[in-house]
Amino acid sequence: EDKVVQSPLSLVVHEGDTVTLNCSYEVTNFRSLLWYKQEKKAPTFLFMLTSSGIEKKSGRLSSILDKKELFSILNITATQTGDSAVYLCAVTRGAQKLVFGQGTRLTINP
Amino acid sequence: EAGVAQSPRYKIIEKRQSVAFWCNPISGHATLYWYQQILGQGPKLLIQFQNNGVVDDSQLPKDRFSAERLKGVDSTLKIQPAKLEDSAVYLCASSLVRGRSYNEQFFGPGTRLTVL
Repeated sequence: EDKVVQSPLSLVVHEGDTVTLNCSYEVTNFRSLLWYKQEKKAPTFLFMLTSSGIEKKSGRLSSILDKKELFSILNITATQTGDSAVYLCAVTRGAQKLVFGQGTRLTINP
Repeated sequence: EAGVAQSPRYKIIEKRQSVAFWCNPISGHATLYWYQQILGQGPKLLIQFQNNGVVDDSQLPKDRFSAERLKGVDSTLKIQPAKLEDSAVYLCASSLVRGRSYNEQFFGPGTRLTVL
């Protein structure tokens, strides 16, 4: 059975801290791993990773994939209150099917 | 460009009642998805359409859930009869179809269903 596991499930930090969110997976026919940010209802796309060891970066967010160890991390540096959200990891099984993890709820306190 | 539209945004019903949700994807997006997101969990794919055909409905509880996309554009998802465990946010997403690589899915705002 396909499995995507995120940790921690919940994280509370102070503004300015750096956080690392983890995602491990066991999926047949793996194609890529995606990170989404979910603030209210609709998940919004952050990154797609297909190759091991190549860091993707967008502002204060960065992510990397390890296809040998079957995991990915999402780093957020200099966190702001606007980063408070649920962060979802998903893997594509085949070309289009997404399998999501349970999410990490990140709370940034001022 | 308009995003994925869903209605209603909220619905409260009693168990054993019926409910329907509507989704209008981004114009030109051939693929449409319905997800169920129970509180504290990630979204789970219920059904995937390409144009008006079903690609994957392996996780759709077919005894009570049905979905259609008759003209290959908007779609409805129905639950009949609803159970308490159907309380969740129902997300619709759409994507283009371009070759065999992954095409980004754009999500709508969702419908929050509460079954009492």
